[in-house]
This record gives sequence, structure tokens and C-alpha cells, in this order.
Amino acid sequence: GAGVSQSPRYKVAKRGQDVALRCDPISGHVSLFWYQQALGQGPEFLTYFQNEAQLDKSGLPSDRFFAERPEGSVSTLKIQRTQQEDSAVYLCASRTGSSLNTEAFFGQGTRLTVV
Amino acid sequence: GENVEQHPSTLSVQEGDSAVIKCTYSDSASNYFPWYKQELGKRPQLIIDIRSNVGEKKDQRIAVTLNKTAKHFSLHITETQPEDSAVYFCAAPYSGGYQKVTFGIGTKLQVIP
Repeated sequence: GAGVSQSPRYKVAKRGQDVALRCDPISGHVSLFWYQQALGQGPEFLTYFQNEAQLDKSGLPSDRFFAERPEGSVSTLKIQRTQQEDSAVYLCASRTGSSLNTEAFFGQGTRLTVV
Repeated sequence: GENVEQHPSTLSVQEGDSAVIKCTYSDSASNYFPWYKQELGKRPQLIIDIRSNVGEKKDQRIAVTLNKTAKHFSLHITETQPEDSAVYFCAAPYSGGYQKVTFGIGTKLQVIP
């Protein structure tokens, strides 16, 4: 498929465990975003990459959250020492260029449950 | 940053009736306003968007209107069908951030057959 792919779809982590969430954007897409969506809420911005450069990480809730996109394609969102409040769906989206005025395509998301 | 308010949070309509969802935004420099539809357990998908150089855009049963002066935009769905049942999100970009797009809280639309 040519869409945005995220893995795993579901992740259960024990409190204190580290997790890594993967995003495969649409091939050739320059822009990549991570969003956090709590139950019954809209997606909340976490971070933005333009190619391999992380240009905005203002939405990351704490220094336990870290994202990278080393080769400008696949991205990984890492959460260290997970807490119960980290439970949410983590959405990745990509966009063909760097303009805000174009469609962002979302992945299916990774549902993280911290127990 | 951008503040996007969306209402109502829930909306029930009879099949065939119209549904209207409204959003307001705070950043007067915003110039692109997408609407996303998210079915239960699925990804948000763009259904329509509007740029600030037009006041209305229509695509079959879906239309979006924009009032830049009042800083609000609305989604209109006519002749609603059960498959329109989903959560709808409005969004607006924040001019101060590289690519930060702020989403509304969402409207859960239920179309009753």
C-alpha cells in the first residue's frame, strides 16, 4: 500500500518500560508529524520533521519523549519510563511538501496502553 | 499558539437532515482550514479543506464556509446518511510554528436511520 504505515498497531507497556513507535510515511513525503490523541479528544501536536531535520518539538510533553528521522524517511517516537498518562493513540502523518496548505495523510495510529 | 474551538461536541440528526459543525480560531494569519473525518478505530481522513482566498467550497453533499473577519468556519453536510456517522475534526495552522496544526476537540455525529 502507498499510505502511511505505523507499527505496532497496539502496544501494552508496564509502567516504567521504554517503548518505540514506528512510522513509515508515504514515499517521498518531506514533512512528517507526530500527534497524540487521548480518548475522546482531538489530535495534539507533538513534533514535526522536514526531511531529517526536527524543526519543531514544542509539543513533546516531557523529556521522556524523543523522536528521530535519521534518513528523512522512517521516523521513530520513543517514550522512556512510560507513565499511565502516556496512554493514548499516537498518530503519524506525512505531507508531500513543506507547505501548510496541502493535505496531511494520517497513519492508523499506535494505541499505547500503560498498565 | 492557535486556539481552535469546535462545537457541538455531539450531534444527532435524522437520516436525510442536514448537519452543521462550527469552529472558531484565534490566529488571524491562518489561511488553510481542513476538516477530517475519523471513524471508530480508524485514521483521520481529510474530507474537505478551504483556503482563505475563498468564502465557500462545496463537494457533493459536503460544504465548508469561512468567515475570516469573524475567524470562524463551518462544515455543512446535507442529506445525511448513516455512513456519515463519525467524529469530525476541524483544524487550523499556527503561523508562529513551522507546521503546527491545531485540531478542534471533535464532533461526534450520529445519523439515525
